[in-house]
Amino acid sequence: AQTVTQSQPEMSVQEAETVTLSCTYDTSESDYYLFWYKQPPSRQMILVIRQEAYKQQNATENRFSVNFQKAAKSFSLKISDSQLGDAAMYFCAYRRRNTGTASKLTFGTGTRLQVTL
Amino acid sequence: EPEVTQTPSHQVTQMGQEVILRCVPISNHLYFYWYRQILGQKVEFLVSFYNNEISEKSEIFDDQFSVERPDGSNFTLKIRSTKLEDSAMYFCASSEQLANYGYTFGSGTRLTVV
Repeated sequence: AQTVTQSQPEMSVQEAETVTLSCTYDTSESDYYLFWYKQPPSRQMILVIRQEAYKQQNATENRFSVNFQKAAKSFSLKISDSQLGDAAMYFCAYRRRNTGTASKLTFGTGTRLQVTL
Repeated sequence: EPEVTQTPSHQVTQMGQEVILRCVPISNHLYFYWYRQILGQKVEFLVSFYNNEISEKSEIFDDQFSVERPDGSNFTLKIRSTKLEDSAMYFCASSEQLANYGYTFGSGTRLTVV
């Protein structure tokens, strides 16, 4: 079974600074997808960024980028130029490649990010 | 941008009662899901649904739970005889066929069992 581990329950960053959230996972699959979701106080789950395991290039979405290390099974999220609106719970998630059935997302326990002035 | 809509946003029910949580997935999506998040804990998979049948379900999804797509737009989660421990945020999600992108989640229904 796949597992996702987020070892940082809470992180804090100053506005305009950079922060990195860690995530490791365990799987026997070779083809899969990794995601970071943001959950603000409204509790809605918002997709931040996704990475395809067969792509070596790290995904980037504006101020958000990942460091994907497939051999190490590590998938960290870097937030640059942090803004107050980035304060939220961040969940790392794994999904095996869709083989024609609806494959589930496996989530980590989350990291609560605080952004200070 | 298309949205997944969930109603109600908050439901309070007495222990032992049945509840139905409703979801309207994105119209061209074919895969549907329910997830649960107990307060302060991680998001857990309940069930996935495709082609009018359950594709996969977790050990949480026991006989107390059922899902249905009663018409072409709604996707419902029924919880029979609710227990206190069913109190949680329930998220509906949908995805395109074989898209392998992250799902689109609804904004959730907060279920409180008293």
